[in-house]
Amino acid sequence: SQQGEEDPQALSIQEGENATMNCSYKTSINNLQWYRQNSGRGLVHLILIRSNEREKHSGRLRVTLDTSKKSSSLLITASRAADTASYFCATDAEETSGSRLTFGEGTQLTVNP
Amino acid sequence: DGGITQSPKYLFRKEGQNVTLSCEQNLNHDAMYWYRQDPGQGLRLIYYSQIVNDFQKGDIAEGYSVSREKKESFPLTVTSAQKNPTAFYLCASSTGLYHNEQFFGPGTRLTVL
Repeated sequence: SQQGEEDPQALSIQEGENATMNCSYKTSINNLQWYRQNSGRGLVHLILIRSNEREKHSGRLRVTLDTSKKSSSLLITASRAADTASYFCATDAEETSGSRLTFGEGTQLTVNP
Repeated sequence: DGGITQSPKYLFRKEGQNVTLSCEQNLNHDAMYWYRQDPGQGLRLIYYSQIVNDFQKGDIAEGYSVSREKKESFPLTVTSAQKNPTAFYLCASSTGLYHNEQFFGPGTRLTVL
């Protein structure tokens, strides 16, 4: 079953604008991760936020986590055409062993030049 | 170069045939994973292995089989029992320790004719 659900399913913005994607999940987690996938390619890890963290930054990326609401958001600032891709959240649930992740359905981001 | 490779990139199979997808990593990772991705969807876990000679079923293991005889290799066989095998298959690896990100291969697109 899918743990994470991204919102919106698709997002289209102009270059230079900010893009915000949201992820909701159902069970307690150890951490939540965001991945990016270019069309027809493998996924690339972007950022990991642990359950005891509330916010994390990496370059133009900002991730927040609200464990009380079981939700996370990914903000991409000053977007570029090269940011066009699908973005997935993935949760590492507390009850699972090892690094098993459960992925959401993804948000398709299109950045128009 | 350290990384994870999958072959072939494209694979065509006739109904009723078994087919094996290759996944190799030289990252010295203990854990390896196989996912299936359908168009416009997220990733679903087929099988995973946290150590050599051991593996566990994921969420959609029916019609698939795996082996983990070597740390570097985790081949996936799509059997004739898989009713709808046409999909994009992604292999990933991680250190196997808790809370670590997964590294993905480029994927194999399987089409059943």
